[in-house]
Amino acid sequence: GQNIDQPTEMTATEGAIVQINCTYQTSGFNGLFWYQQHAGEAPTFLSYNVLDGLEEKGRFSSFLSRSKGYSYLLLKELQMKDSASYLCAVVDSNYQLIWGAGTKLIIKP
Amino acid sequence: IAGITQAPTSQILAAGRRMTLRCTQDMRHNAMYWYRQDLGLGLRLIHYSNTAGTTGKGEVPDGYSVSRANTDDFPLTLASAVPSQTSVYFCASSPGQGFGANVLTFGAGSRLTVL
Repeated sequence: GQNIDQPTEMTATEGAIVQINCTYQTSGFNGLFWYQQHAGEAPTFLSYNVLDGLEEKGRFSSFLSRSKGYSYLLLKELQMKDSASYLCAVVDSNYQLIWGAGTKLIIKP
Repeated sequence: IAGITQAPTSQILAAGRRMTLRCTQDMRHNAMYWYRQDLGLGLRLIHYSNTAGTTGKGEVPDGYSVSRANTDDFPLTLASAVPSQTSVYFCASSPGQGFGANVLTFGAGSRLTVL
């Protein structure tokens, strides 16, 4: 079967750095997405990786290793507004998105 | 509007009633999707449409139907609601081709409670 694993919840301190991991086992791979979802709101697009390596976008970076079936989202200089759930999703061989359950990130002052 | 509009925002519904969740986009995206989101589970695809006039079944289609008469509208109908359909429903769209083909834009969601 297809599976996306992410930690259920993480806690970090304002101003610090946090890494949210995502491992996947899917039928084929055509890219990996990270979305941010604040409580009670819609998911919003953060990043997309299709090749191995690091994609940097301001305070957020996303890394992919296709051989290891692994990605992480790195958030630097954490702000209180970064408290949200972070969703990992993989595009499989049929170009369907397979979603992880999301990681709830709690930022403490 | 710029994006996706869903209606209603929330609804309480008696079991056995028929319900249609509305979704309209103004981005001229080819592809549209309906997901449900339940606590502890990832987003699950109910139905999708790659282009106007076509629809397909997702991971959890039973009890739901969709239509795509034009590019902008993609309503989701529950023919006879059951309590297990209590969930938050998200409509989404994507360009479907070109750069960013698979980047989804989501509506604000419709919270449905079936009693």
